[in-house]
Amino acid sequence: EAQVTQNPRYLITVTGKKLTVTCSQNMNHEYMSWYRQDPGLGLRQIYYSMNVEVTDKGDVPEGYKVSRKEKRNFPLILESPSPNQTSLYFCASRKTGQPYGYTFGSGTRLTVV
Amino acid sequence: GENVEQHPSTLSVQEGDSAVIKCTYSDSASNYFPWYKQELGKGPQLIIDIRSNVGEKKDQRIAVTLNKTAKHFSLHITETQPEDSAVYFCAAPNSPLTGSARQLTFGSGTQLTVLP
Repeated sequence: EAQVTQNPRYLITVTGKKLTVTCSQNMNHEYMSWYRQDPGLGLRQIYYSMNVEVTDKGDVPEGYKVSRKEKRNFPLILESPSPNQTSLYFCASRKTGQPYGYTFGSGTRLTVV
Repeated sequence: GENVEQHPSTLSVQEGDSAVIKCTYSDSASNYFPWYKQELGKGPQLIIDIRSNVGEKKDQRIAVTLNKTAKHFSLHITETQPEDSAVYFCAAPNSPLTGSARQLTFGSGTQLTVLP
């Protein structure tokens, strides 16, 4: 089944403890992206990647890092999480030639206390 | 960059009635307008999209209309059913600040509740 897989689905952590949210897609998509969803703010883009070793900032990149060493994986790294990073996170992917036909993962609910 | 405003933020309708969600955008160069449906506990899923060279597109009970002059587009759901209850997002491509590819800017979402 074609899909984007995120792990974990739920995570509670403490301020300052580094964490990684994994994202993997099995559709051979070149483009991958991370979004955060907050009430009343919709989906805001954190980082995106056009292909392996090519990443760029989205609208809200502060406090986040990403890497794209393999085509299928695009992990989101929070080096020192803070409570304002408590949110619902989504990974998405698409083929470069298909404008905006994103496939989203099921989401990761992160709580930073 | 693109600014997408979506209204209403919540919408309740009786089963069988129609629902309309509206979005406005700011970038006149935008040429593609998708709508996503997010069911509880799931990621958003593309349900319909429209390109700027057409004014309306239908897919069974769902339709999207586009007014390029006024820079707004709308989602219409007819004969609503309980399974239509979800959060709906509109989106539009933003203008890249550099040579990178255009990204999607999403609206703030509409929680649609269909009452049985």
